[in-house]
Amino acid sequence: DADVTQTPRNRITKTGKRIMLECSQTKGHDRMYWYRQDPGLGLRLIYYSFDVKDINKGEISDGYSVSRQAQAKFSLSLESAIPNQTALYFCATSDWDRGDGELFFGEGSRLTVL
Amino acid sequence: GQSLEQPSEVTAVEGAIVQINCTYQTSGFYGLSWYQQHDGGAPTFLSYNGLDGLEETGRFSSFLSRSDSYGYLLLQELQMKDSASYFCAVSPRDSWGKLQFGAGTQVVVTP
Repeated sequence: DADVTQTPRNRITKTGKRIMLECSQTKGHDRMYWYRQDPGLGLRLIYYSFDVKDINKGEISDGYSVSRQAQAKFSLSLESAIPNQTALYFCATSDWDRGDGELFFGEGSRLTVL
Repeated sequence: GQSLEQPSEVTAVEGAIVQINCTYQTSGFYGLSWYQQHDGGAPTFLSYNGLDGLEETGRFSSFLSRSDSYGYLLLQELQMKDSASYFCAVSPRDSWGKLQFGAGTQVVVTP
């Protein structure tokens, strides 16, 4: 089993619908992240959490919300999806105390908003 | 704002050497990381430079010069499986614990 698991892997939805992407990890890391990837734009940080009681906005948080239900679970919600939120979404974790800048990514959730 | 610049695409033949440059416009950052991503799959960590100089891991090496806010990833003895996107990333000093990624370099290895 993967250390960082994302569900669903693929989702097609319509404008205005609420969507939740879920992420769970078995690595025991405190830090979790949600990134969005668009062609030619690299990975952009949406939200991040350094522990269960700590939630922070990233560079593109508008239109998104998150919930850290437990150390191992971090979900991303789109309250009212719009077409320009069509993208590949990645969850990641880190053990930042290692100091080596390593993130562990899930396999991604491809979201299409029609 | 802060940004990382890297070439969009590099093409090379099997067995060749490729250098992917990454420049970062900031007053300071903690370190430079490199990630590899195959065809929209999960990015995977390759290397980290916390200090200036060269880090070598098998066929891949990474270099950092803080004074120049510049680094590179060197891919040696290229193999077909090295065809992928490569991203540099930094953790800026004003936002410890977050990684900011470049747009990525597509490396195409030809026979």
